[in-house]
Amino acid sequence: EAGVAQSPRYKIIEKRQSVAFWCNPISGHATLYWYQQILGQGPKLLIQFQNNGVVDDSQLPKDRFSAERLKGVDSTLKIQPAKLEDSAVYLCASSPRGAALGNEQFFGPGTRLTVL
Amino acid sequence: GESVGLHLPTLSVQEGDNSIINCAYSNSASDYFIWYKQESGKGPQFIIDIRSNMDKRQGQRVTVLLNKTVKHLSLQIAATQPGDSAVYFCAENRSGYALNFGKGTSLLVTP
Repeated sequence: EAGVAQSPRYKIIEKRQSVAFWCNPISGHATLYWYQQILGQGPKLLIQFQNNGVVDDSQLPKDRFSAERLKGVDSTLKIQPAKLEDSAVYLCASSPRGAALGNEQFFGPGTRLTVL
Repeated sequence: GESVGLHLPTLSVQEGDNSIINCAYSNSASDYFIWYKQESGKGPQFIIDIRSNMDKRQGQRVTVLLNKTVKHLSLQIAATQPGDSAVYFCAENRSGYALNFGKGTSLLVTP
């Protein structure tokens, strides 16, 4: 079974530029998550989708971050404009169902963003 | 806010020894706990989970212990191997809430 795919794997941009990340979840997984992982810390949830609807975006900095999952499959996360503190690994995860307990999340390899 | 934290940021063990990684949580409403392993350049990988109505669960070479009285979680790895070298995260979950990760413990297995 193919895992969660993410691209690009690495991205270097200057502050105030824009960047977009792409995620393809495991086939059939209804729920998709975007996490931000700053070096030395655990992942922090940015946004959760159930099919193409947003379930939780309470920790998404909406003034600069946006995400969409238009057809309930692939998703893109965008940052515009980027700040130095956005340097992190952006992880995408998917799970078969919603936020039920015991619903295992499968993570992609992440996109490492460096903002100069 | 509520936190999930780890007691030690780094742990070095010899190959073949047992490893114990500890985690404290502060939210008594947490009812599901997961351990993840994250190797360099990869996303977190599920290791084992435990629900709050249990105090022990065993997998292959791994055991998770939950002490709800002191809000403490531990991951025991038997006969640690070089391939076990990674960062280990505990995470807690409550129904209707997002997964909350701790900061991680780096496990280094030396020959």
